[in-house]
Amino acid sequence: ETGVTQTPRHLVMGMTNKKSLKCEQHLGHNAMYWYKQSAKKPLELMFVYSLEERVENNSVPSRFSPECPNSSHLFLHLHTLQPEDSALYLCASSLRLAGAEETQYFGPGTRLLVL
Amino acid sequence: AQSVTQLGSHVSVSEGALVLLRCNYSSSVPPYLFWYVQYPNQGLQLLLKYTTGATLVKGINGFEAEFKKSETSFHLTKPSAHMSDAAEYFCAVSPWGGKLIFGQGTELSVKP
Repeated sequence: ETGVTQTPRHLVMGMTNKKSLKCEQHLGHNAMYWYKQSAKKPLELMFVYSLEERVENNSVPSRFSPECPNSSHLFLHLHTLQPEDSALYLCASSLRLAGAEETQYFGPGTRLLVL
Repeated sequence: AQSVTQLGSHVSVSEGALVLLRCNYSSSVPPYLFWYVQYPNQGLQLLLKYTTGATLVKGINGFEAEFKKSETSFHLTKPSAHMSDAAEYFCAVSPWGGKLIFGQGTELSVKP
């Protein structure tokens, strides 16, 4: 595997379910990100991790819980979601956090549908 | 606060025609600017970025963009559109490391 991978690619869940999204980067990067992409809205940054420490939580509801056990893996744990949480969830990574010129590399995303 | 405006949510061109996708930004500090492309059912791929230096930036697949500070613009162009260019394009500004602020995206259609 190369680049940034995400699993599953598609997920359908009920509002009472608990599920997790997984992201893995094979680039040797130290920073990882979760974004939400909803129809007709700009991409929204959700969480930022640098060297496994969370450095930003962009006012995300507590029903979304991130976890970064090491610099290569990032999870997004989901519980009691709402239908408006249906979206494409994108993971990204960059070599470093510092430096606004850092390029972020994106995974293919997980398409989530909440019923 | 930084923001990005992409003019036109949908642009349609004929194959072989010029592609022009518009992006204007608002930034209180010298910006770092990016263009990403998203093909159907895929994540975002970096096309090009401006950090410092030459204001005309060349990217992949024949795209280029020019940073114009006086106009606060970073428009994306390609001289001749190809069918494979059909995708959604996102302009983004980065005020600090780890934070990308995206525009709403422009969907490019290419007609044969």
